[in-house]
Amino acid sequence: AQKVTQAQTEISVVEKEDVTLDCVYETRDTTYYLFWYKQPPSGELVFLIRRNSFDEQNEISGRYSWNFQKSTSSFNFTITASQVVDSAVYFCALRHFGNEKLTFGTGTRLTIIP
Amino acid sequence: DTGVSQNPRHKITKRGQNVTFRCDPISEHNRLYWYRQTLGQGPEFLTYFQNEAQLEKSRLLSDRFSAERPKGSFSTLEIQRTEQGDSAMYLCASSPRGGWLQIRQYFGPGTRLTVL
Repeated sequence: AQKVTQAQTEISVVEKEDVTLDCVYETRDTTYYLFWYKQPPSGELVFLIRRNSFDEQNEISGRYSWNFQKSTSSFNFTITASQVVDSAVYFCALRHFGNEKLTFGTGTRLTIIP
Repeated sequence: DTGVSQNPRHKITKRGQNVTFRCDPISEHNRLYWYRQTLGQGPEFLTYFQNEAQLEKSRLLSDRFSAERPKGSFSTLEIQRTEQGDSAMYLCASSPRGGWLQIRQYFGPGTRLTVL
């Protein structure tokens, strides 16, 4: 069985503040992939990052960074110096090696207040 | 690349009617997926095609749901005798063959179904 938990339902921060979105996952498999997707009001899921279970290196892409910790089964996402355009619902997702299905969390609605 | 396209974008129907949605994947993507997303929830997997073969179906896909991908290109999702509980966003995604590229799924804009 696999499960993704995003405990933060909604977060609001003032523009330029940093914000971290939490993601905790459960799986019995040793090889899997983790993802973050952004869903703006238009509805289309926008891919942000993929992480493999055997690669715990953290990643930074511009204002975005990801912290993968296998020991705590967490894959957290930080936005630095947030902007209004970052307002969206963010989903964390899990996929097992050899399986095509993505299992999503319930999402975190992020609102950036100008 | 043009992205994944879905039609219609919105559909309002009365309970008991049949509806059909279409998904056109990115050209030459051999894998195609359907997900359903209800309000306030993440997308839930419904079914998956590799070329024209339907390889996996979720238990969410009741007998009233049928999906096809006849020539391994576009796909249709039909819901018969719609119920109010079918109201949701239906998302289609595709991915290419081979290597790391196939791990990522590219999503379309979705079809929002409202059953009155």
